[in-house]
Amino acid sequence: DGGITQSPKYLFRKEGQNVTLSCEQNLNHDAMYWYRQDPGQGLRLIYYSQIVNDFQKGDIAEGYSVSREKKESFPLTVTSAQKNPTAFYLCATDSAYSYNEQFFGPGTRLTVL
Amino acid sequence: AQSVAQPEDQVNVAEGNPLTVKCTYSVSGNPYLFWYVQYPNRGLQFLLKYITGDNLVKGSYGFEAEFNKSQTSFHLKKPSALVSDSALYFCAVSANTNAGKSTFGDGTTLTVKP
Repeated sequence: DGGITQSPKYLFRKEGQNVTLSCEQNLNHDAMYWYRQDPGQGLRLIYYSQIVNDFQKGDIAEGYSVSREKKESFPLTVTSAQKNPTAFYLCATDSAYSYNEQFFGPGTRLTVL
Repeated sequence: AQSVAQPEDQVNVAEGNPLTVKCTYSVSGNPYLFWYVQYPNRGLQFLLKYITGDNLVKGSYGFEAEFNKSQTSFHLKKPSALVSDSALYFCAVSANTNAGKSTFGDGTTLTVKP
């Protein structure tokens, strides 16, 4: 987990609310990723960014939004359009020198009440 | 498109016995292959990777994996399992042409019993 922080660790949301999950890294890595983890379904890619001010949709981007204004930060907003947001969210990074080895944060568990 | 299959949801072994967690993959181009481990409510931790070279890769905590190109497999192994090895294990693949996007398997839960 070293070098990547995610906050908060636990987050509770009421239906209809937008919430933002924080991901910060001090590894000086260019690429950052957001994954969603549900039991028995592994990791699914939500969004990724390979450079500041640029990002691409992953496999399940609907109902989510991101920004990449700084190299160190890649916040994820879960909007009210996401119908089933309860999940464990993982942020990851990699660099051009790591051959796609990814470094993961500790995760945020989001629960919709 | 690239994909990873971990055919076993659960693997149970006795402490001291060898363990194998299976992974097969599909990718265009040369594969980069990875194993990660996840403990409850934690992020994934890197165990080992295959990029090129020797087909037998050694990693953290005594784990190793063998790349088999003809069978498109990358099984994770350990000669003698520990109770502390009990965790969720993920295999992942990316291609040297895919700009960093990795595809993960669904995970295999390893339980090592005393």
